[in-house]
Amino acid sequence: GQNIDQPTEMTATEGAIVQINCTYQTSGFNGLFWYQQHAGEAPTFLSYNVLDGLEEKGRFSSFLSRSKGYSYLLLKELQMKDSASYLCAVKSPGTYKYIFGTGTRLKVLA
Amino acid sequence: SAVISQKPSRDICQRGTSLTIQCQVDSQVTMMFWYRQQPGQSLTLIATANQGSEATYESGFVIDKFPISRPNLTFSTLTVSNLSPEDSSIYLCSVSNRGNEKLFFGSGTQLSVL
Repeated sequence: GQNIDQPTEMTATEGAIVQINCTYQTSGFNGLFWYQQHAGEAPTFLSYNVLDGLEEKGRFSSFLSRSKGYSYLLLKELQMKDSASYLCAVKSPGTYKYIFGTGTRLKVLA
Repeated sequence: SAVISQKPSRDICQRGTSLTIQCQVDSQVTMMFWYRQQPGQSLTLIATANQGSEATYESGFVIDKFPISRPNLTFSTLTVSNLSPEDSSIYLCSVSNRGNEKLFFGSGTQLSVL
C-alpha cells in the first residue's frame, strides 16, 4: 500500500527555523518532492530529492534517507509569507504518478 | 516550466448535473493527471489522462463518474457526472514530462454542489 505521513499543523515564529518531517511507505520510489500551497492557490514546486542527503536551495533545504523512508523540509529565517501548507509527495517508478502526503499547515507568527 | 490554463476557476452546480473542466497547456507534455483536493485535505489522484486512449483510474474512481478525455498532448478534460454535494471539492489538472521531475499544476477548479 501507499502511506505518506506528515504532521497536520505546526506553528513557528518569524525569523526562526522549522523542520517539517515526512515518512513514507510506498510500493516503489523514484523521488521525493516538496510542494508549497498557499490557501486558495495551486501547489508550487519547492524541492526534489532522489538520492540520500541534503539539497539546499536558499532558505529552504530538503533531506532524504531512503533506507528509513524519511524526509524533512527545513525552512530558515521564517517569513510571514511562509505561512502555507507543505505537501510531501513520492513519485512512483514506471507509472510517473505522484502520491501526496496529508500536508502540513504551517503558521508563522510575528 | 509549463503554463497551464484550467477553467472554469469555480462553479456552483445543481445535484444530478455534470461539470466539465478543461485543462490547456502551452506546450506538449508527456503526462497529465487529475487530482481532487477536498476541503482542508491533501491531493488525491483521480486518474492519469492518456493521449488517445482510456484514462488510468485510481482505486475508488471510475470512468462513469469521472470521464476523462485527452485528444492530444496539450489538452485534457475531466467531467464530474451526476453531481452530489460530496463532489464539492477543488479539482486540479497537473502535468509533467519524462526526464523533468517537476509536476506543474493548473490554478484549480472550485466546485460547489447544491
